[in-house]
Amino acid sequence: DAGVIQSPRHEVTEMGQEVTLRCKPISGHNSLFWYRQTMMRGLELLIYFNNNVPIDDSGMPEDRFSAKMPNASFSTLKIQPSEPRDSAVYFCASSLSGGRDIQYFGAGTRLSVL
Amino acid sequence: QKEVEQNSGPLSVPEGAIASLNCTYSDRGSQSFFWYRQYSGKSPELIMFIYSNGDKEDGRFTAQLNKASQYVSLLIRDSQPSDSATYLCAVGGSGAGSYQLTFGKGTKLSVIP
Repeated sequence: DAGVIQSPRHEVTEMGQEVTLRCKPISGHNSLFWYRQTMMRGLELLIYFNNNVPIDDSGMPEDRFSAKMPNASFSTLKIQPSEPRDSAVYFCASSLSGGRDIQYFGAGTRLSVL
Repeated sequence: QKEVEQNSGPLSVPEGAIASLNCTYSDRGSQSFFWYRQYSGKSPELIMFIYSNGDKEDGRFTAQLNKASQYVSLLIRDSQPSDSATYLCAVGGSGAGSYQLTFGKGTKLSVIP
């Protein structure tokens, strides 16, 4: 079975540009999570969707970050405008129904903002 | 602020030995506990999960939970060089926030052949 699919795997952009990261959760999973991983802060939850609805966006760092989930099989995380401090690995994860269910991670997108 | 603490390591063990990884957490209401393995440049991969006090075994891996002490551990028996990775402890939130995983910064394990 296909796992969580993320694209692109690597993104290099210049400060001020818009960046869009994409995620396809595991089929049948109704919960989706976006995380950011840095050496300094480790792995942090940015936003949580359940049944395509954003439930918890308290981890979104600022208004430059936005996330959408237009349907059960697709989500985007957008950064506009991007800044060098946004450089990190961004992971998408999905779980069967949220709660205590196991979260399965995608391969991640390594973002570098120059 | 929920916290999950792990020794950063590196923890070095010889091949065939038992590796012991530890984790403490601050949210006394947490009900779910996970160990993820992350190879360099890769994504976190679930190794074990545990919900109840005591031990849970799966192959060479044993997770141990002590909620009174707010302590979780992972034992890896017969350690192999392929076990060399960073191990992340993740703790679920309490109540309606049970979906919210707080991750430790990980312990880097090195298994020496």
